[in-house]
Amino acid sequence: EAQVTQNPRYLITVTGKKLTVTCSQNMNHEYMSWYRQDPGLGLRQIYYSMNVEVTDKGDVPEGYKVSRKEKRNFPLILESPSPNQTSLYFCASSLRFGQLNYEQYFGPGTRLTVT
Amino acid sequence: GENVEQHPSTLSVQEGDSAVIKCTYSDSASNYFPWYKQELGKRPQLIIDIRSNVGEKKDQRIAVTLNKTAKHFSLHITETQPEDSAVYFCAADRDNYGQNFVFGPGTRLSVLP
Repeated sequence: EAQVTQNPRYLITVTGKKLTVTCSQNMNHEYMSWYRQDPGLGLRQIYYSMNVEVTDKGDVPEGYKVSRKEKRNFPLILESPSPNQTSLYFCASSLRFGQLNYEQYFGPGTRLTVT
Repeated sequence: GENVEQHPSTLSVQEGDSAVIKCTYSDSASNYFPWYKQELGKRPQLIIDIRSNVGEKKDQRIAVTLNKTAKHFSLHITETQPEDSAVYFCAADRDNYGQNFVFGPGTRLSVLP
């Protein structure tokens, strides 16, 4: 089954404790992204990647890191989480834009609470 | 930078009526505009999209119109059904590579039986 998976789905942590949210897709997609969703603000892009070893900042990259060492994986790293990073996080992937079946597929989401 | 506004923030319609959600964007370089539906507790899912070389696109009860001159695009849902109740997000692609998106804040649509 074609899908984007994220782990963990729920996480409660404390300020300053490093954490990683994993994202994996099995559709051989070139593009991958991370978004955070907060009430009233819609989805805001944190980082995106157009290929292995190619990443770019989105609108809200502060406090986050990413890496794209393999095509299928795009982990989101919070080195020192703070309460303002409490949010719902979505990973997404897609084919290259010019391809016929271009569509951004979202993972199931990770609800993160930082106390 | 690109900014996307979306109106209304909430919309209630009677089953069978039409619903229209409008988005405006600021960057004339944007050329791809997707719409996503997000049901409660679920992930966003693409329902329709439009590229700047097209003025209108339809898929059954859903249509999207684009006015590049005025920099706005709208989602039209006809013959609404209770299962259309969800939050709808519009988005604009900033760099024309289908990767760097800015989203509107969302519209909560309620279809009343």
